[in-house]
Amino acid sequence: NAGVTQTPKFQVLKTGQSMTLQCAQDMNHNSMYWYRQDPGMGLRLIYYSASEGTTDKGEVPNGYNVSRLNKREFSLRLESAAPSQTSVYFCASRTTGQVGPLEQYFGPGTRLTVT
Amino acid sequence: GENVEQHPSTLSVQEGDSAVIKCTYSDSASNYFPWYKQELGKRPQLIIDIRSNVGEKKDQRIAVTLNKTAKHFSLHITETQPEDSAVYFCAASMGGNEKLTFGTGTRLTIIP
Repeated sequence: NAGVTQTPKFQVLKTGQSMTLQCAQDMNHNSMYWYRQDPGMGLRLIYYSASEGTTDKGEVPNGYNVSRLNKREFSLRLESAAPSQTSVYFCASRTTGQVGPLEQYFGPGTRLTVT
Repeated sequence: GENVEQHPSTLSVQEGDSAVIKCTYSDSASNYFPWYKQELGKRPQLIIDIRSNVGEKKDQRIAVTLNKTAKHFSLHITETQPEDSAVYFCAASMGGNEKLTFGTGTRLTIIP
């Protein structure tokens, strides 16, 4: 049971380049999330998916797109990277509903630098 | 939307002393309040959470208290140890709501 996995671990991009961050979970969770973490700003939600086939914007969606490929996989795409997108990106997942555990399980993170 | 404020941003305590981190939230409909710990270079991990139908919850050396009237909640760590050094994040959401809103984090340093 690997939990939540992310690839790549590190990436350096030039301004204007594109890339896709991959996330997968093997816990049969319905909900998946993408966050960015910047110094002094905590974890900010970019996009989330409450179930396969649905996606919704979070707090900071501009410049990003997402795809919920299937129940296991949720990818984040930067179409034209900007230096302001330099950050650590975390994927997370959890079960859905109001009862039972609400814990979000995080992946190991992707450190992205845009020059 | 929800807004969560967290204080202090940094906290240093002597090993064995207690540490307290405080958060306030803006949306009175929020009813789920987790705390995550993030060690240097690692992923955030849940350490304790509380729902709005209780005022306090304990798990060994850590406890969380909730004051719904004042819309604030706090993390208490007693008998601190070096391994408690980390960044701690509070968060809030409506229980079934898929979104968590995080505070900006507190860097806790335990001085041996």
